[in-house]
Amino acid sequence: ETGVTQTPRHLVMGMTNKKSLKCEQHLGHNAMYWYKQSAKKPLELMFVYNFKEQTENNSVPSRFSPECPNSSHLFLHLHTLQPEDSALYLCASSQVGTSGGGDTQYFGPGTRLTVL
Amino acid sequence: KQEVTQIPAALSVPEGENLVLNCSFTDSAIYNLQWFRQDPGKGLTSLLLIQSSQREQTSGRLNASLDKSSGRSTLYIAASQPGDSATYLCAVPMDSSYKLIFGSGTRLLVRP
Repeated sequence: ETGVTQTPRHLVMGMTNKKSLKCEQHLGHNAMYWYKQSAKKPLELMFVYNFKEQTENNSVPSRFSPECPNSSHLFLHLHTLQPEDSALYLCASSQVGTSGGGDTQYFGPGTRLTVL
Repeated sequence: KQEVTQIPAALSVPEGENLVLNCSFTDSAIYNLQWFRQDPGKGLTSLLLIQSSQREQTSGRLNASLDKSSGRSTLYIAASQPGDSATYLCAVPMDSSYKLIFGSGTRLLVRP
């Protein structure tokens, strides 16, 4: 596998379910991201992990819980979601320098999530 | 607070036309600007990244320019093809970091 992979590609869940999204990057990058893309809204940055430390959490509801066990893997744990959480969830990775500047972000294909 | 705007929201052109997509941002103190392409239901593909010290970048039929002082970038697509049909997104880093803020995109349709 090359680049950034995401599983599953499609997920349908009820509001009481617990599920997890998985992302893996094969690019040797040190930063990974979760984005949410809803219909007719710009991509929203949800979480950032830089050197495995979470450095950003843009007021995301606690029903979304990220986990970054190492620099290559990123998870998004989901529980008690709402129908308005239905969206395309995109993972990305990049190489970040020590000064904080970033290079191109590489995106996975996304997980299309539907909450019933 | 940085805001990114893309105009037009949608564009339909016949094959072979040269076209320009626009991106504007409110805070000119950017580290770089990136253009992405997104096919329906898919992830994003990076097209071009322009560093703040650069004025333009070229890749094949694509040319992106950057004018920091006016808070604008344009993506020029030469000799458009039906395969260019996609949504084009521009993004700038939040503050001087690597956390991107995206525009809403321009949905392009190139008609055969």
